[in-house]
Amino acid sequence: DTAVSQTPKYLVTQMGNDKSIKCEQNLGHDTMYWYKQDSKKFLKIMFSYNNKELIINETVPNRFSPKSPDKAHLNLHINSLELGDSAVYFCASRSLGQGDSPLHFGNGTRLTVT
Amino acid sequence: DAKTTQPPSMDCAEGRAANLPCNHSTISGNEYVYWYRQIHSQGPQYIIHGLKNNETNEMASLIITEDRKSSTLILPHATLRDTAVYYCIVRRPTNAGKSTFGDGTTLTVKP
Repeated sequence: DTAVSQTPKYLVTQMGNDKSIKCEQNLGHDTMYWYKQDSKKFLKIMFSYNNKELIINETVPNRFSPKSPDKAHLNLHINSLELGDSAVYFCASRSLGQGDSPLHFGNGTRLTVT
Repeated sequence: DAKTTQPPSMDCAEGRAANLPCNHSTISGNEYVYWYRQIHSQGPQYIIHGLKNNETNEMASLIITEDRKSSTLILPHATLRDTAVYYCIVRRPTNAGKSTFGDGTTLTVKP
């Protein structure tokens, strides 16, 4: 009965490859996010989708492309992976319509690019 | 969203109350104060939030000063499992969630 689940938990790949991370939430939330946490532990928002529509797109390279097939899913595809993409990626969700609803996070995907 | 300032680290003895401060002097009237924590290798976990009144739940208490420029998260009886990084965030309820997580406070609970 996991609320926000991400797969895979670990991802090790070589530079130049293309990879995807999947996220699903069963909380009925209408808004989902991707955050990146680098080696310095700073959590930075990357994208936000509300009802499958992109509403936040921070300064993220075009190699990163989020896709939301429905309200419960937000996947992250990364093309031409670089060493600097190594980080932990967290998916989160909340109900925007409820105003002060908190964020619910997944347990992260640790991406290592070699 | 208003910026927050937290001490980088704190220690607390097991069984004692842990009081984690947060300054948010530029907070505006409709911004909520949220607290999250991140235990090593896990995703951030929501703890509590409030607007201006003090709040309490099964995890913690939140004390917000009358001028709302600062707040304190209180873990009444800290355990070793409460060792984590604690983040204080201020956000407008209509904001789509562009929550900025600062450096947080690393709380170490010691036996």
